[in-house]
Amino acid sequence: QPVLTQPTSLSASPGASATFTCTLRSGINVGTYRMYWYQQKPGSLPRYLLRYRSDSDFQHGSGVPSRFSGSKDASTNTGLLLVSGLQSDDEADYYCAIWYTSTDVVFGGGTKLTVL
Amino acid sequence: EAQLLDSGGGVERPGGSLRLSCAASGFSFEDYGMAWVRQVPGKGLEWVSGSNWNGGSTGYADSVKGRFTISRDNAKKSLYLQMNSLRADDTALYHCARVGRGLAFDIWGQGTMVTVSS
Repeated sequence: QPVLTQPTSLSASPGASATFTCTLRSGINVGTYRMYWYQQKPGSLPRYLLRYRSDSDFQHGSGVPSRFSGSKDASTNTGLLLVSGLQSDDEADYYCAIWYTSTDVVFGGGTKLTVL
Repeated sequence: EAQLLDSGGGVERPGGSLRLSCAASGFSFEDYGMAWVRQVPGKGLEWVSGSNWNGGSTGYADSVKGRFTISRDNAKKSLYLQMNSLRADDTALYHCARVGRGLAFDIWGQGTMVTVSS
């Protein structure tokens, strides 16, 4: 079972909100880790969006609008990326990541967002 | 402006070796951890290896452990990835990335393509 599991795709309408999920493997507690979110548009480099562990341990990447936010669902051991006011320009792949150990990072498989 | 420039990729046969380089500019390289992340075209991101600010603490993905070695030269503001015993599944675009404040990968190199094929 992968450390981080993301759905492969997500669709939403312009102006709506989208919730990306990143589920941690059983035995790895979402409350223990800072979860990082990256956006990669076609043909572009990944862009750091934000990190979230709790409402008091949260950081936006440089220039990232506030309509991108983080959260978690402890009941499902899942980290969440919330995007409101969807725009066509938000179409991209979205990756979650954690520092699994003090030296090692793990990425989720990524979710492709379609805005239609 | 902080920038990273990756180089050293190419076509190599299985079992061969390559050395990737990443040249940093526009920031104090010695103050930051660095990492290598690869991406098979059309697929997801895979963390490969990372180094703290002085190379004294490093990490490797299980898929490359024992075959790849990360190193850095702070005087030359450069990060390296020595890749030995290459396999076909090492074929990917390799990016170096800066580990910024809060441990996010905040600056990415444009990538250098590695193709392992007989």
